[in-house]
Amino acid sequence: AQKITQTQPGMFVQEKEAVTLDCTYDTSDQSYGLFWYKQPSSGEMIFLIYQGSYDEQNATEGRYSLNFQKARKSANLVISASQLGDSAMYFCAMREGNRWDTGRRALTFGSGTRLQVQP
Amino acid sequence: NAGVTQTPKFQVLKTGQSMTLQCAQDMNHNSMYWYRQDPGMGLRLIYYSASEGTTDKGEVPNGYNVSRLNKREFSLRLESAAPSQTSVYFCASSDGSQTRGYTFGSGTRLTVV
Repeated sequence: AQKITQTQPGMFVQEKEAVTLDCTYDTSDQSYGLFWYKQPSSGEMIFLIYQGSYDEQNATEGRYSLNFQKARKSANLVISASQLGDSAMYFCAMREGNRWDTGRRALTFGSGTRLQVQP
Repeated sequence: NAGVTQTPKFQVLKTGQSMTLQCAQDMNHNSMYWYRQDPGMGLRLIYYSASEGTTDKGEVPNGYNVSRLNKREFSLRLESAAPSQTSVYFCASSDGSQTRGYTFGSGTRLTVV
């Protein structure tokens, strides 16, 4: 079974509107971390936001917020007030295990969602 | 600038040739990782190194070897390149205690003909 599932291969959004990118995950660990990365056409991986499994509040970073529903095992990314520069691939990723471990736990990635922001 | 540096950025190999992808980080991170990214897919883990002196296989290790030369450097070697290894390769590092994610290099685009 896939550990990270992103069911939206592509999404369109109008400039200045909000958009939600879906991510569901599968793990038997109680402690884990969820990440979102942005990959523009230039190819670099840009960290956006992090949510720990024990964090009670949904994470926010500027225009990015993470809608974390633990019981449903979903960690959707919400981008508010979309900008043309938000057009990119977006990847959801998970690290299983405690954040204080030796870093042995590598990230597992979903297949990504290509977001296109239209003027 | 602090970060992860990968060399080369682009490479074309003939089937059967060998090469080493270099990766170095200057953030004093303990853990380093090699991923590959194929079209339409997310990143898949090839090998990782939790700390200096240790390496472990990831999801897709066949056809690759790695060396953790020191704390800073983690190299990926293709002994006999195959067209199926055409991909973009990313190196990443983390200190394991941070919550702000993993730092990625800019990638190496490898084509095997």
